[in-house]
Formats: sequence, C-alpha cells, structure tokens
Amino acid sequence: AQSVTQLGSHVSVSEGALVLLRCNYSSSVPPYLFWYVQYPNQGLQLLLKYTSAATLVKGINGFEAEFKKSETSFHLTKPSAHMSDAAEYFCAVSAAGGSYIPTFGRGTSLIVHP
Amino acid sequence: DTAVSQTPKYLVTQMGNDKSIKCEQNLGHDTMYWYKQDSKKFLKIMFSYNNKELIINETVPNRFSPKSPDKAHLNLHINSLELGDSAVYFCASSRTSGTHEQYFGPGTRLTVT
Repeated sequence: AQSVTQLGSHVSVSEGALVLLRCNYSSSVPPYLFWYVQYPNQGLQLLLKYTSAATLVKGINGFEAEFKKSETSFHLTKPSAHMSDAAEYFCAVSAAGGSYIPTFGRGTSLIVHP
Repeated sequence: DTAVSQTPKYLVTQMGNDKSIKCEQNLGHDTMYWYKQDSKKFLKIMFSYNNKELIINETVPNRFSPKSPDKAHLNLHINSLELGDSAVYFCASSRTSGTHEQYFGPGTRLTVT
C-alpha cells in the first residue's frame, strides 16, 4: 500500500523568495517518487523524479527535490520563485519493481506575489 | 508532435445524454489511464488499462466505461450524464516497466447542464 500527503493546499511566496512544497509518502516497498506541475488550463507535466539513484534530484525550471528515507519525505524546493512558477504541484508515489499505478497527493497551489 | 492528445477539449451537454472522449498516445506506452479532476484540483484515477488487465476504481459508476480499439487509444464513454460528472478529465499513459512516470493529455472540460 502507498500514500502521499502534501502539507498545505496553498503556499504563498513573494517573487524571489524560496519555494518549499512538502511531500511525505508511505510505501511498503522502495518507492519511485515524482513531482508534477499543472499550469492553469493545462495537463500535468513531469517536473522531476526519484528512482533510487541520487537522493538529490534536479528537475526543470530550477526545481529540485531531496529524497529522505528516514523522514519518508520528498520535498520540492526552488531558491528563487518566479511569477511563472504559479501553478498546482502534485507529488506522487509508485512502487519500484511493483505496482506501476501511482498514488497522487491532493496537490499544492503555489501563489507567487510580485 | 503531441505525445498524448485528447478530443474534444471542451464538452457541454445536457443531463441524460451519452458522450465520449477520445485519447491517443504516440509514445509507444503499454498502459493508459483516465483521471477525473474536480473543482478543488483533486485527481482521482478512474481506470488503468493495458493489454493484460483493466483496473477499475471501485468508486467509479458503471455509467463510465473505457474502450481501447488498440494500444495507442483509450476512449472514455459516459452514459446517462449527471450534473456531478462535470469536471476535467485527463488521459495519461506510461510504461508498466521502467520508472512509471506518466504523460498527461491536455484535458477535456466536461460541463453537464
């Protein structure tokens, strides 16, 4: 069984500030972990993924995430927010070598103020 | 080249009607999915389908049915539409092997009046 918890349905930051979106997961087997981004009126697109290689994963648009097994976390960060980062962000987990069907978190809406 | 495409992008219809949404992927993936996204952006998986199995979310009404004419297509049929079916529906695809990342279509906004 697997589950994902995204803390905070909305996160508000100023342009240029640090972005931190939190994701905790539960999985009975080694996980694959993903962050997807959904811009307004668009589908989801993959931002980055963890697949048991490096624990610090870099993605597109300056985002990165760190897999911490001891904390069962996969938080998403970006050093400096841009207005264009305003979107819905989803964390997801699937089972490495197991079920290919992912479980998605409820999403976090990132709001960027000028 | 669009990886996952859906048609139509918008669909407005009346209660009781039957409608279909089409989905095609050109990524060579072996599995396709349908998701429903409600007004609060919550993503609910409805179906997962490949040539070996169809997995249905038990909460999905049997008015909804997936139809796959071939590996590159997974259409969604909805019978007797209800007001609560209004949502954005996303098609996605992935591989059952490898790292499971999903590729999503642009979505179909269904409005039932």
